[in-house]
Amino acid sequence: GAVVSQHPSRVICKSGTSVKIECRSLDFQATTMFWYRQFPKQSLMLMATSNEGSKATYEQGVEKDKFLINHASLTLSTLTVTSAHPEDSSFYICSASLAGGSGELFFGEGSRLTVL
Amino acid sequence: QQQVKQSPQSLIVQKGGISIINCAYENTAFDYFPWYQQFPGKGPALLIAIRPDVSEKKEGRFTISFNKSAKQFSLHIMDSQPGDSATYFCAASWNFGNEKLTFGTGTRLTIIP
Repeated sequence: GAVVSQHPSRVICKSGTSVKIECRSLDFQATTMFWYRQFPKQSLMLMATSNEGSKATYEQGVEKDKFLINHASLTLSTLTVTSAHPEDSSFYICSASLAGGSGELFFGEGSRLTVL
Repeated sequence: QQQVKQSPQSLIVQKGGISIINCAYENTAFDYFPWYQQFPGKGPALLIAIRPDVSEKKEGRFTISFNKSAKQFSLHIMDSQPGDSATYFCAASWNFGNEKLTFGTGTRLTIIP
């Protein structure tokens, strides 16, 4: 099956620093990738939709200057949390859909961000 | 219009029993209804999905029942096992899943011996 890899799986950083999370589709091309945020014991909240070669589409209430998303190739999307603060601590998950596929989404393993 | 309501929030089922989780949606444009299983600290994994042209889909011990007129769908786990203990999310999308998913609130399932 299709594999989506996220890196790092865990990251701890100091308040005010920036953190980059990578999402790669390992064995397929993904024209569209989605970034989610999940708080403990809660559902997944869609942050943004990223299409290869174009600007990401952010959901209402998500600060695009804070959560920078880049989708430079058909296999890589990155999420950068800029000037992170403790309230940004969360579980960030990406997903990718197969180019020209059935619409099935493949999820990464998630990245746990802790901001001290 | 975009909401997907999921119940129950938590569920405890004895080993060998049937686990049933229900979801209801409002947006009649939705045409793709997947269920995801998530273990702690991991990303969700697709379990099974259905499209509105059928009323039921079965894959192993997992069955989705779909009621288009009531705008409801449910997941049935037969012969539930301790390894099924996880959080389950229903979701809905349109354009056969090629658009963004709207997730339900999740059900924490615990299978007891």
